[in-house]
Amino acid sequence: AQSVTQPDIHITVSEGASLELRCNYSYGATPYLFWYVQSPGQGLQLLLKYFSGDTLVQGIKGFEAEFKRSQSSFNLRKPSVHWSDAAEYFCAFLFSGGYNKLIFGAGTRLAVHP
Amino acid sequence: GAVVSQHPSWVICKSGTSVKIECRSLDFQATTMFWYRQFPKQSLMLMATSNEGSKATYEQGVEKDKFLINHASLTLSTLTVTSAHPEDSSFYICSARDLSGGIEAFFGQGTRLTVV
Repeated sequence: AQSVTQPDIHITVSEGASLELRCNYSYGATPYLFWYVQSPGQGLQLLLKYFSGDTLVQGIKGFEAEFKRSQSSFNLRKPSVHWSDAAEYFCAFLFSGGYNKLIFGAGTRLAVHP
Repeated sequence: GAVVSQHPSWVICKSGTSVKIECRSLDFQATTMFWYRQFPKQSLMLMATSNEGSKATYEQGVEKDKFLINHASLTLSTLTVTSAHPEDSSFYICSARDLSGGIEAFFGQGTRLTVV
């Protein structure tokens, strides 16, 4: 079955440290993958997306993600985390059956220590 | 560009009443809109997909008569929670897609519904 998994529910990092949030997908073909960020009580903001081509994708706010077909992964990275990055991060997968609906992972809550 | 607006941002209603949430695409025509529900500290669960001028397609387990979705125009979809109960309290988020512009969907800011 098609799905997206975020293994880490909570992650805490120190400000200035590097960050990697994991995302794994299960799909029979090359998927369309997204990373969104959500601040408390807010909607979703798209950080970056992968459709095809270069497997290293640059996004907003200094984030990047790398698509690795061999590992079925699309991990989000940032070299130096800022306190304002504390939020909930969702990996999403475009399920191309029917109306091309987005299916979300469970999310990873990021806390940043000063 | 590509702005999706939800209204209201939050609403409190009494048990047994109905509440309508609007989702508007402000600068593009949304042929497809999606409605999600999000419980506290949980992920977004797709409730239904609506296409302009046709009936919504509901995900398994979502009550069609409870959550009425109307997509009467290319810029507006509405979600009506009928006979609301406290367990319907949640964060509802819509997203909209313009197929002519690609497959990316744009999200509204969400609506916090509290049923008392």
